[in-house]
Amino acid sequence: DAGITQSPRHKVTETGTPVTLRCHQTENHRYMYWYRQDPGHGLRLIHYSYGVKDTDKGEVSDGYSVSRSKTEDFLLTLESATSSQTSVYFCATQGGSNQPQHFGDGTRLSIL
Amino acid sequence: DQQVKQNSPSLSVQEGRISILNCDYTNSMFDYFLWYKKYPAEGPTFLISISSIKDKNEDGRFTVFLNKSAKHLSLHIVPSQPGDSAVYFCAATLSGGGADGLTFGKGTHLIIQP
Repeated sequence: DAGITQSPRHKVTETGTPVTLRCHQTENHRYMYWYRQDPGHGLRLIHYSYGVKDTDKGEVSDGYSVSRSKTEDFLLTLESATSSQTSVYFCATQGGSNQPQHFGDGTRLSIL
Repeated sequence: DQQVKQNSPSLSVQEGRISILNCDYTNSMFDYFLWYKKYPAEGPTFLISISSIKDKNEDGRFTVFLNKSAKHLSLHIVPSQPGDSAVYFCAATLSGGGADGLTFGKGTHLIIQP
């Protein structure tokens, strides 16, 4: 959707290891977002970006950092993964205000 | 505290009939509302949206109604088709979004029975 590619699509790793998830878009959208989806919680915002090098925290940002060095790429990093970060992670982009967000197909991350 | 609530975890509707999915919100500053549809192992897909200056928006089989005084919106699907079976998320944002993310409900699993 909207030319959004998330990588990897699946990852299993161990507690304490660093993990980076990548979101790549081809739509030249200004705004990009990272969400996580957990049973019983819907989707919750982790971090978002409103331009290159401009990012801000969302509702559940603890334990996560992001970077956006190019318009098309938005990286989510777990510096030291914990089992509570096992989740499905979705990236979204938005072209402008009063436009819908479009989502990638998600990354399923399991931390053992 | 949940700002967007979908109180029905699941809904079963017969094919051809109307499906009505409901959503309530508590933050009166929300001014842009969206519905998304999600199949397993895929990302949410945008369905329809409505701005707070309107009370109805229609797109084909999908209509969203907004009642600001009740802080309530609903999605109507007419007629319901088997491919409509999915999880539906209601979402809301401030100032049309852009600089803010979406606040989602927990979703309603719609099952269309043949």
